[in-house]
Parts: sequence; structure tokens; C-alpha cells
Amino acid sequence: AQSVTQLGSHVSVSEGALVLLRCNYSSSVPPYLFWYVQYPNQGLQLLLKYTTGATLVKGINGFEAEFKKSETSFHLTKPSAHMSDAAEYFCAVRVNFGNEKLTFGTGTRLTIIP
Amino acid sequence: DTEVTQTPKHLVMGMTNKKSLKCEQHMGHRAMYWYKQKAKKPPELMFVYSYEKLSINESVPSRFSPECPNSSLLNLHLHALQPEDSALYLCASSQLKVAGHTGELFFGEGSRLTVL
Repeated sequence: AQSVTQLGSHVSVSEGALVLLRCNYSSSVPPYLFWYVQYPNQGLQLLLKYTTGATLVKGINGFEAEFKKSETSFHLTKPSAHMSDAAEYFCAVRVNFGNEKLTFGTGTRLTIIP
Repeated sequence: DTEVTQTPKHLVMGMTNKKSLKCEQHMGHRAMYWYKQKAKKPPELMFVYSYEKLSINESVPSRFSPECPNSSLLNLHLHALQPEDSALYLCASSQLKVAGHTGELFFGEGSRLTVL
């Protein structure tokens, strides 16, 4: 079975500070990992994904994430927070490429302090 | 065109009404999904269609009835809903096992449903 744990349901950072959102996964086989962002009253937008190959992946809006197999982690970072980054962030995992389920973490609400 | 379009954006219905939510994509994806999202919670999978056939039903009550008329369209028929069914309903689509694709889901903006 696959699962995802997001540490911290709420994270607050000052504008211009480093953003770090934590995600740990559990999977018996190599996973596909995703980060999605959801702005209020909107759908989910893909930020970035890891499938195979390079373990440091870059996404949209200046975000990046590093797949660390030894730590079963896929933390999301951004060097400098903008006010527009305030949103809900979901980490997700799927273990096969097919019609299998995409399993979401519980989400982290990011607040940016002016 | 990388959009998934959902209509209506907002729907208010009584417990005896029959209504439908609609979803459309033109990305050539052969998997389509319905998710339910309550406030401050992650999306919960309801149904998955693969090649227009229902492949996953997450034990959803029969008052929710999905339909996939063709590879671009997905409907969710609603009947005799309860107030606790009020939520954001999200449609998504993805490619299936095709070389070069990584299977990420593309989501629509959602349909906000209120059941009175």
C-alpha cells in the first residue's frame, strides 16, 4: 500500500524567506511523486513531479523538490516566498502508471507574512 | 489545450432534486476521475473511468451516478442528496500507459455543490 505524510498542517513564513514543506511517503515499489497547489475556491494545479531520473526536480513558480530514497522524502522548497504563494499544498504518490489511485497527503496551508 | 472544464461552477439543490455535473477535456486522455473535497481536507477519490469503462468505484453511495458518454466527457448525476454531500466536486483526467507520459492528473476548477 502507498501513503503520504505531510508534516505540519500549517506553515507560516515571512515574505522573502525560505519555504520548506515536508512530505514523506511509504511505498513498497519505486513511487511517482507529485506536488499540487490549490488556491482558494480553485482546482488543483500541478507544481512538479518525480518519476525517474534526476532526483532534484524543478517546477513552476520557482518551486523545486528533491527525491531522497534513503529518507523516503520529497520535500518542497522555494528560496524566497512571495505573497502569491499563499495556498494549500498537497503531496501525492502513485506506485504504478495506470489507473491506480493517486494518494494525497492531508495538505499544508502556507501563509505568507508581509 | 491543457484544460479540464467543469460546469456548473456553483450548484444549489434540494434533497429531492436531480441534477448533473459535467466535465470535458480535449487532451486525448483516456482516464477520467471524480473527486470530492470537503473544506480543509484533501480530495477523496470517488470514481475512475479508463477507456470509458468504470474501473474504480470507491464505495460511493448510489445517489451519485457517474457516466462517461465518450472519451472527452464525464458526468456525475446527483439524486436525493443529503446536506453532508455539500462539497467541491473535482474532475480530473490523465493519460494511461503511453510511452513518454508520466500519468499526472489534470484537474478542473471544480463544481461547488450546496445541498439544502
